Amino acid sequence: EVQLLESGGGLVQPGGSLRLSCAASGFTFSSCAMSWVRQAPGKGLEWVSGISDGGSRTYYADSVKGRFTISRDNSKNTLYLQMNSLRAEDTAVYYCAKVGPSPPIVVVTASYDYWGQGTLVTVSS
Amino acid sequence: QSVLTQPPSASGTPGQRVTISCSGSSSNIGSNYAYWYQQLPGTAPKLLIYRNNQRPSGVPDRFSGSKSGTSASLAISGLRSEDEADYYCAAWDDSLSGVVFGGGTKLTVL
Repeated sequence: EVQLLESGGGLVQPGGSLRLSCAASGFTFSSCAMSWVRQAPGKGLEWVSGISDGGSRTYYADSVKGRFTISRDNSKNTLYLQMNSLRAEDTAVYYCAKVGPSPPIVVVTASYDYWGQGTLVTVSS
Repeated sequence: QSVLTQPPSASGTPGQRVTISCSGSSSNIGSNYAYWYQQLPGTAPKLLIYRNNQRPSGVPDRFSGSKSGTSASLAISGLRSEDEADYYCAAWDDSLSGVVFGGGTKLTVL
């Protein structure tokens, strides 16, 4: 069974930093591109970042470019999102998502067949 | 303002057929596949349609997708109360080098 479990969310002050993690299981993590998607309270979905299966290629939304860094550790089956210089508008539930169903190695896609339950990030003083 | 444009709301009665539109441009839907997601209240999104018109295993054939030019559509036939949810379209955007989502359509089953 595919499982994606996010962690690391919480309350942080504007200008602060936070690192999100997404522990994956039930599939060959190292063969799948992954992404982060967020949803502000009461709002729609917003793609944040994507990373290739090997981690060499990364993509970012303009709204987070230069502040967020996506990475992965295939030996630990874990996806990360380092978030710096956080702003109030970054407040959202952050989901990690697995590319699929086919082909899972393609990072330039909007196809996500499995999602985590999400972790809430609140940026407030 | 979302890159992909969807109607904010749609509604229908049980058994009816409802269609949700998604308008994009040449850099997203016009040159890439369209995808549709269903999000039930308080839950993570679920992939409903991929590659314009393909259904993942487990998705009922009441759900269908189509694409024409720079627009895509999701049709739901035989509407059921459990279909009440938010629906989002999505596509890769070559100009932005990223994924764009529609603003979402809230479907109400009357």
